[in-house]
Parts: sequence; structure tokens; C-alpha cells
Amino acid sequence: GQSLEQPSEVTAVEGAIVQINCTYQTSGFYGLSWYQQHDGGAPTFLSYNALDGLEETGRFSSFLSRSDSYGYLLLQELQMKDSASYFCAVPNRINTNAGKSTFGDGTTLTVKP
Amino acid sequence: EAGVAQSPRYKIIEKRQSVAFWCNPISGHATLYWYQQILGQGPKLLIQFQNNGVVDDSQLPKDRFSAERLKGVDSTLKIQPAKLEDSAVYLCASSLVVRAYEQYFGPGTRLTVT
Repeated sequence: GQSLEQPSEVTAVEGAIVQINCTYQTSGFYGLSWYQQHDGGAPTFLSYNALDGLEETGRFSSFLSRSDSYGYLLLQELQMKDSASYFCAVPNRINTNAGKSTFGDGTTLTVKP
Repeated sequence: EAGVAQSPRYKIIEKRQSVAFWCNPISGHATLYWYQQILGQGPKLLIQFQNNGVVDDSQLPKDRFSAERLKGVDSTLKIQPAKLEDSAVYLCASSLVVRAYEQYFGPGTRLTVT
């Protein structure tokens, strides 16, 4: 089976930096994705790590360590609009469609003024 | 580029009734996913199609749920009969086969079973 563990809630102040962690246990691993979901909205893709290391996309960065079965999403210069739920996800294997697309239960980020 | 379309946006039914949801993925996306998202949880995969073939339906309650993607484009998900625990948001997503890690989601259908 596959499981992903994330903290349920994180709170931070505007302008700060916050890290959302994700640990995973999967029968096969093909990379780690991150999605953002505002209340009442649909998940939107943020970032993907296929290999170990840091991927940077503007204010958001994502890190992966395959040896530790661990990744994190780093949000810098927090803004009020960043208040949302963040999900880590393991996609099905590219091209062969092996494995199963699996999401964590999400981390609710609250940004305070 | 048009996004993933879903309808209806909201549906309220009584238990034991049937309901159907429709999804139109992004043009060119061969992979289509149906997820169930219960409040406070992450999306749970119900079924995944590649073109009109089923890739994974291991978590689909097949005694009451069915899904099809006849022409490899649009898809419908049906529940018959509905139970109270089926109350959730049903999300449709699509992706390119080679970019399964980047899924595009529709707005979802919020189902309430009373």
C-alpha cells in the first residue's frame, strides 16, 4: 500500500517562511508532487521532484530525499493568500501507469497578519 | 486553454437514489482520474483511465459505483444506490500520460446524501 503523512495544521505570520513536511511509504516511488487547495476550490499543481534536491519556483520550493522517504514544501515571504491546504502526492508511474496516484490528507496553512 | 469541466457543481439526493457526474478533460490529456474528497481529507483515487481503458479501479466500490469513458474523452461517474457516507466532493482531473505528476483538476461536484 501507499501512505503519506503530513502535519494537519501549520500557522505562520505574513512575511515569514514556513516548511510543510511529508513522509511517505510506497510500494513504488516515482516522485513527489505538491498541490495547493483553497477552501471550496480545486487542487492546483505547485511543484514536482523526481530526483533528490531542491526545486525552486518563485516563492515556493520543494525538496526531496529518497533515502529518507521525505520531502517538504517551503513557502517564503508568506502572503495572506497563501492560506490554504497543501497536499503532497505520489503520482502513478509515468508511461506505464503502474502504481496508484495517492494524496496525503493535507496540511492547512493559516497565515496571520 | 480550457480547463477541466465538471457538472453539476452541486447535487443533493436522498439515500438509495442514483446520481451521475460528468467530466470533460483538457483537450489532449489521455489520462483521466476520478477522486472522492471527504471534508478534511485528501483526494482519494476512485478510478483512473488512459484513453478509454481502465488503469486502476482498485478503490472503486464496484457494488454501487461505476464509471465509463467510452470515446476516450468525456467521462461519467455514477453512484447507484447512494449511501450517506458518499457525501463528499467528487473531483475529476486529467493529465498528459508522460506528466502524471502534474494533474489538472476540475471544480468538483459537491454531493450531499440525506
